[in-house]
Amino acid sequence: SQQGEEDPQALSIQEGENATMNCSYKTSINNLQWYRQNSGRGLVHLILIRSNEREKHSGRLRVTLDTSKKSSSLLITASRAADTASYFCATDPGSSNTGKLIFGQGTTLQVKP
Amino acid sequence: NAGVMQNPRHLVRRRGQEARLRCSPMKGHSHVYWYRQLPEEGLKFMVYLQKENIIDESGMPKERFSAEFPKEGPSILRIQQVVRGDSAAYFCASSPTLRDSCIFGDGTRLSIL
Repeated sequence: SQQGEEDPQALSIQEGENATMNCSYKTSINNLQWYRQNSGRGLVHLILIRSNEREKHSGRLRVTLDTSKKSSSLLITASRAADTASYFCATDPGSSNTGKLIFGQGTTLQVKP
Repeated sequence: NAGVMQNPRHLVRRRGQEARLRCSPMKGHSHVYWYRQLPEEGLKFMVYLQKENIIDESGMPKERFSAEFPKEGPSILRIQQVVRGDSAAYFCASSPTLRDSCIFGDGTRLSIL
């Protein structure tokens, strides 16, 4: 079954606005990670948040984690056209001891200049 | 320090042929993962390997697919007797330890004619 469910599936905003993407998951986790994928490229790791953390910042990125609701959000502030990409959340399940990740379907973000 | 290198970037095969996808992990990374991405979908875990060992192949189809990570040389994902449904992007990722975030390659896009 799909571990990560993301919404919205697609998001279109103007440059300078904030973008918020949400991710829900089903099982316990060791950590949750967010990745960006530009068209035709591999995934770029953005941020990792452990199950005992609630919020993490990295530059213009802010990630929150609510383990009671099994959900996470990624906020990109002051968006730029270069932020246009697909964004995926991925969980490292608590039941796994292999480091394998379970990915959501992704949110496609378009930032208009 | 080169990232995760995958080759070829694009591979075209006819139905029934064999496809061999190569992945050289980052220097110092001993954990290798293969994922498959179908169009408009997230990545699906296939297999996790360490040098000369397959640790978790729970995501890999039982038939036609095999993976190896020899003592010397790159990791290989091999698909025998390819079918149209094997068309996808195949990504390799590596990490130095189990709980570190993974570095992804740019993928191999496999097209089956």
